[in-house]
Amino acid sequence: AQSVTQLGSHVSVSEGALVLLRCNYSSSVPPYLFWYVQYPNQGLQLLLKYTTGATLVKGINGFEAEFKKSETSFHLTKPSAHMSDAAEYFCAVTGYGQNFVFGPGTRLSVLP
Amino acid sequence: GAGVSQSPSNKVTEKGKDVELRCDPISGHTALYWYRQSLGQGLEFLIYFQGNSAPDKSGLPSDRFSAERTGGSVSTLTIQRTQQEDSAVYLCASSLTGSTEAFFGQGTRLTVV
Repeated sequence: AQSVTQLGSHVSVSEGALVLLRCNYSSSVPPYLFWYVQYPNQGLQLLLKYTTGATLVKGINGFEAEFKKSETSFHLTKPSAHMSDAAEYFCAVTGYGQNFVFGPGTRLSVLP
Repeated sequence: GAGVSQSPSNKVTEKGKDVELRCDPISGHTALYWYRQSLGQGLEFLIYFQGNSAPDKSGLPSDRFSAERTGGSVSTLTIQRTQQEDSAVYLCASSLTGSTEAFFGQGTRLTVV
C-alpha cells in the first residue's frame, strides 16, 4: 500500500523568498515520486520526477526536489518565488505494479 | 493524438440521469487512471487499468459508478442515477507503464442539477 502526506494545505511566501513544500510518502515497493502543479482552472502538469539514479532532481520553472529514503521524503523547493508560481501542488507516488497515489495538495500563494 | 483527450469537457445533467464520460489515452500507454476532483479539493482515486490485468476498482465510491476500457485503449466512466454530490471534475490520466509519469487530460466538469 502507498500513501502520501503533504504538510500544510496552504503555504504563503513573499516574492523572491524560498519555496519549500513538504511531501512524505509510504510505499511497500521502491517508490517513484512526482510533483505535479495545477494552475487555476487548468489541468495537472508534471513538474519533476524521481525514478532511479540521482536523488536530487530538477524540474521546470526552477523547481527541484530531493529524494531522501531515510526520511521517506520528497520535498519540493525553489530558491526564489515568483508571482507566477501561485498554484496548487500535488505530490504523488507510484511503484512497479502500483497505482498512482496523490497527496491532498498544497496551495501556494505568493505575496508581492 | 498528442495528449490525453476527455469528452465532453462540460456536462450538465439532471439528478437521477445516467452519464458517460470518455477518455482517450495517449497511444501505446498501458496504464489508465480515473480521478475525481471536487471544488478546491485534491484528487480522489477512482479506478486504475493496467494492461490486461483486472482493474483496481477500490476507489469507486458506490455501485453507481463503473468503468470499462475497451481494447486496451479508450475508457468510459459511467455514473448511474447521478446525485448532486457527484458534481466534480473527473480527470483521466494515462502512463506508458504503471510506473512512469501520468499525463492528464483537461477533465470533464460534471454538474448535477
